[in-house]
Amino acid sequence: GESVGLHLPTLSVQEGDNSIINCAYSNSASDYFIWYKQESGKGPQFIIDIRSNMDKRQGQRVTVLLNKTVKHLSLQIAATQPGDSAVYFCAETGGTSYGKLTFGQGTILTVHP
Amino acid sequence: GAGVSQSPSNKVTEKGKDVELRCDPISGHTALYWYRQSLGQGLEFLIYFQGNSAPDKSGLPSDRFSAERTGGSVSTLTIQRTQQEDSAVYLCASSLVWNSNQPQHFGDGTRLSIL
Repeated sequence: GESVGLHLPTLSVQEGDNSIINCAYSNSASDYFIWYKQESGKGPQFIIDIRSNMDKRQGQRVTVLLNKTVKHLSLQIAATQPGDSAVYFCAETGGTSYGKLTFGQGTILTVHP
Repeated sequence: GAGVSQSPSNKVTEKGKDVELRCDPISGHTALYWYRQSLGQGLEFLIYFQGNSAPDKSGLPSDRFSAERTGGSVSTLTIQRTQQEDSAVYLCASSLVWNSNQPQHFGDGTRLSIL
C-alpha cells in the first residue's frame, strides 16, 4: 500500500520573537514529561523536563508549562534564534508505562533571520 | 563526557538479510532503550533494559526483532529476515535508572534502508 508520512504542525517565527509549541498528551497516569529538540540527521536532544507535581519549570531561555486538567503541555522559547530551528517533540511516561516514552507527533519550528 | 554512541550510522541491506545494530550507552547509565523513528509512525518504543532485570520487550513489532545487553553496557538490536517496512531510523537512549524521573538521552541513530 501507499506509505503516508506524518504531516507535522509547523511554526514559523522571526528571530528574536518568543515561540510557543503546544502538545496534548493522552495518558492521565503519565507523571513525567520531557521536551526534545531534533535537528536533521541527529537524535532527539533533551531540552527540559517536568514532573506532574509542578505546573511550570524554567530553564535557560525555555519554560515548560503543564496543565494536567486538560492534559496539555507547552514549551516556550524566549528570543528565538535561527539555531532553534528544528523539530520539537513532547514525550510522556509514568503509570504502568515506566521507562517507555510515548512521543507526540512533533512540531517543526522555523526561525527566520 | 561521551554521549550515547550508535553504529553503524547508516546501513543498507537487501530484503531477507539479517542486520545487527549496536548501542554504547553513557557510562554509568543502567537503563538502555531502543526506539524506532519512521515517517509513517513517528517515534515508537521497542524495548528497554534495566540493570540485570528481564527486559521489557512489549514494543517489539514481531519475533524477527530481538535485543541483547551484554555485561550491563553495550546492546545490540537484531532484525532477522528484514522486510522493507523495517526501513527506519533506530534510536538508542540511556538513563541513569529506569524510573520516570530520569531523562533519557539519545544517540544519533542508525538509518536502516531495506532494498
